[in-house]
This record gives sequence, structure tokens and C-alpha cells, in this order.
Amino acid sequence: EAQVTQNPRYLITVTGKKLTVTCSQNMNHEYMSWYRQDPGLGLRQIYYSMNVEVTDKGDVPEGYKVSRKEKRNFPLILESPSPNQTSLYFCASSPYGQPNYGYTFGSGTRLTVV
Amino acid sequence: AQSVSQHNHHVILSEAASLELGCNYSYGGTVNLFWYVQYPGQHLQLLLKYFSGDPLVKGIKGFEAEFIKSKFSFNLRKPSVQWSDTAEYFCAVNKGGGADGLTFGKGTHLIIQP
Repeated sequence: EAQVTQNPRYLITVTGKKLTVTCSQNMNHEYMSWYRQDPGLGLRQIYYSMNVEVTDKGDVPEGYKVSRKEKRNFPLILESPSPNQTSLYFCASSPYGQPNYGYTFGSGTRLTVV
Repeated sequence: AQSVSQHNHHVILSEAASLELGCNYSYGGTVNLFWYVQYPGQHLQLLLKYFSGDPLVKGIKGFEAEFIKSKFSFNLRKPSVQWSDTAEYFCAVNKGGGADGLTFGKGTHLIIQP
């Protein structure tokens, strides 16, 4: 089944403890993005990647890092999480050359930083 | 920078009522337009999309949307809503080739009362 898989689905952590949220897609898509969803703010883009080793900042990149060493994986790294990073996170992917495809989204990761 | 504006943040309707959710975007170039739906506790699913051609597009579950270029609008409609349409609805746009992800509106929380 074609899908974007995020892990974990739920995570509670403490301030300052480094964490990684994994994202993997099995559709051979070139484009991948990370978003955070907050009530009343909709989805805001954190980082995006156009292909392996090509990443760029979205609208709210502060406090986050990403890497794209393999085409299928696009992990989101929080080096020193803070309570304002408590949010619902989504990873998404899309194929090159098909702008009308839209993006396929993962099931989300609900992160709580205490 | 492109932006998306959704006019209604919360909408409450009775079953069988007609629905129209407004969406305006600000970008003068070529865009691809999307409506996504998020049912409670779930990830985003694509409802419909506009790329080119007929400005009236039909999506899943009886939804449709009309692209009006002169008004920079892409409003979502459904003639008769059902209780199962209760969800969060997001309008989104990507520009050009779509490599840099989607820009979302803040969403509309739709509640259908039986």
C-alpha cells in the first residue's frame, strides 16, 4: 500500500531532550515536507526537501533540523525541544513533475513537551 | 510570498443544508489549488484539486469547488451535507512545480448537527 509512515504516533518528552520523528514513504517521491498543526493556525511548513541532500526552510524552521540522506526518509530532529513545540506534526510527499498530484500525508505525530 | 485565506473558521449547519466554504489565495502566477479534509483524529485526505481546464472541479463525497481566477478564489461547495461531513477543511495552494510544498489556510471547522 502506498503510504507515508511516521513514527512515533504519540510522544511525551521533557524540555531539552533531543528527539527524532521519523518519516518514510514507499512511493519513490522526490518531494517531502514537514508541517506542524496548531489550533487556529492551520498547518505551517517547517522544512521541505526537493530530493536527496536538498533541503530548505519553510515558514517556521526555528528549533528544528532535517536531513535527506535517502530518498524515502525525511526525519525531523528537535535538538532541544521546548514546550512551544508541543504540536501535531505531519510529514507529506509528492512526486516530481506532477504539481497537480498534491501531497500524500502521514498519520501524524502528536508531540507534547513538558 | 503566497498566502491562503479561509473566511469561516467555524461553521455549524444542519443535515441537508447546503455548504459553501470560502478560500482566497494571493499569488499572481500559476498555482495548483487543493481542498483537504481532516476527520477527527485522522490525517489529511485530498478532497479535490484544480490544476487547469474546467474551473468547476468535482471531488469525492459529493464535494465540488469553483476556481475563479479574477477573484483569486477557490470556494468549496456541497449541495446537501451529512453528519459524517463533520471535519476540519483546509484550502491549500502550491505554486509552479510544487516542489516547495503547500501553503495552507487556517482551516474551517465544520460541524453538522443531525
